[in-house]
Amino acid sequence: ETGVTQTPRHLVMGMTNKKSLKCEQHLGHNAMYWYKQSAKKPLELMFVYSLEERVENNSVPSRFSPECPNSSHLFLHLHTLQPEDSALYLCASSLVPPTGGGYTFGSGTRLTVV
Amino acid sequence: AQSVTQLGSHVSVSEGALVLLRCNYSSSVPPYLFWYVQYPNQGLQLLLKYTSAATLVKGINGFEAEFKKSETSFHLTKPSAHMSDAAEYFCAVSDIGKGGKLIFGQGTELSVKP
Repeated sequence: ETGVTQTPRHLVMGMTNKKSLKCEQHLGHNAMYWYKQSAKKPLELMFVYSLEERVENNSVPSRFSPECPNSSHLFLHLHTLQPEDSALYLCASSLVPPTGGGYTFGSGTRLTVV
Repeated sequence: AQSVTQLGSHVSVSEGALVLLRCNYSSSVPPYLFWYVQYPNQGLQLLLKYTSAATLVKGINGFEAEFKKSETSFHLTKPSAHMSDAAEYFCAVSDIGKGGKLIFGQGTELSVKP
């Protein structure tokens, strides 16, 4: 248990479904991140929230919609996904300004779009 | 802009042999440096970190890394590989002056042969 909890661990959804991924941390961190990790590809940073404000959105399609209601929770809302969106979605948290602790990652949600 | 280069996307060693995973970075200021390990279908776990204290850093599972400013390197080593070390390893650099966002390398997959 890392202190960052992601649910669900596995998700299979059809292209017309709407689902949400949840991330929760109680480490006292004030920044949270969504990453996409596809097979044989580097980690892709999707969204960054710092002090509950979205500070980065790396050209992610609008079918991915993040939400950060408070510094402990982060959601990724999914709708009308494509098969190429199948991947491991990782949440991470950290302190800003940085204190040298790096990021703490959750175990990820394995998403399969059928 | 900061960058991280991991030489070799795949490294294979025999059990009991030396493990050496290479990481070079570019940064205009003294950075924080990190190594993470990822087991299949898991998130990234912090192995060790350099934050401007001792240049030789010891981490979990017998791994260590040495910060060499003159070579802009932060190579990861372990004297004797174990089968359980088989995983993906990521090097990351954090620019203290830019909010501490982590820049990750492409990852190196370590295989350990019996």
